[in-house]
Amino acid sequence: KAGVTQTPRYLIKTRGQQVTLSCSPISGHRSVSWYQQTPGQGLQFLFEYFSETQRNKGNFPGRFSGRQFSNSRSEMNVSTLELGDSALYLCASSLGDSFTDTQYFGPGTRLTVL
Amino acid sequence: AQSVTQLGSHVSVSEGALVLLRCNYSSSVPPYLFWYVQYPNQGLQLLLKYTSAATLVKGINGFEAEFKKSETSFHLTKPSAHMSDAAEYFCAVSLDTGRRALTFGSGTRLQVQP
Repeated sequence: KAGVTQTPRYLIKTRGQQVTLSCSPISGHRSVSWYQQTPGQGLQFLFEYFSETQRNKGNFPGRFSGRQFSNSRSEMNVSTLELGDSALYLCASSLGDSFTDTQYFGPGTRLTVL
Repeated sequence: AQSVTQLGSHVSVSEGALVLLRCNYSSSVPPYLFWYVQYPNQGLQLLLKYTSAATLVKGINGFEAEFKKSETSFHLTKPSAHMSDAAEYFCAVSLDTGRRALTFGSGTRLQVQP
C-alpha cells in the first residue's frame, strides 16, 4: 500500500505570495493532519481534517488554512507569506479520528520564503 | 496541558553500544505514546507506540521502549547501535482530550561513531 504523498517536495516563494501544498493520504485513511517543523519551534500541530471537516486547529494565524476533499486528499494554503513561514510542512494520515489511531507521515514539503 | 520532554538534544554512541534516548511526559489522563524517527530530508517514520496493552513495546529496527507510569517515562532503547540508526528521534504523546493532535518533544539527534 502506498504511503502518504506530498507535493511539491520543495517550494521557493517570496514574501507576500501565497502557496498551496497538497497531501494524499494512505488509501482508506479518512483523517489528515498537518504539522509545521522548524528548527526553533520544533513540530507544531496546524490542523486536522476528518470527512471533509476541520476537527481541530492549532495556534496559528488565519493566514494558514486548509481543506479536505471527498477522496480524503487535503490541501493547505498559506497566504501573505512571511519569512518565518519557511519550514518543513508535514502531512499525516490515520484511519480514523480517534486519539488512539496512529498517524503516518509523508515526506514533507520544504517551503522557503525569500 | 500535556507536554513531552526529551532529555539530551544530541546523543553520541559507538557502533555496537547501547542506545538510550529519554522521554518524559506530563499528563493528567492516560497517554498514548509514540516514538518516531526522522532521517535527513525525510518525513517521520513510526518506530513504535504504547497503547496500554503492554508496558514493554517492541518496534522496528530492534528498538523497544518501556512505559513507566510511576516515572512518567517512555525511554527508547536498542541493545546495539548500527551506523544506519543515525537520525533524529521524536517522542510524541496523544491524549483523549477531544483535541486530537500529537504533541512532540524537541527531538534527540543520535550520532553513531564507527
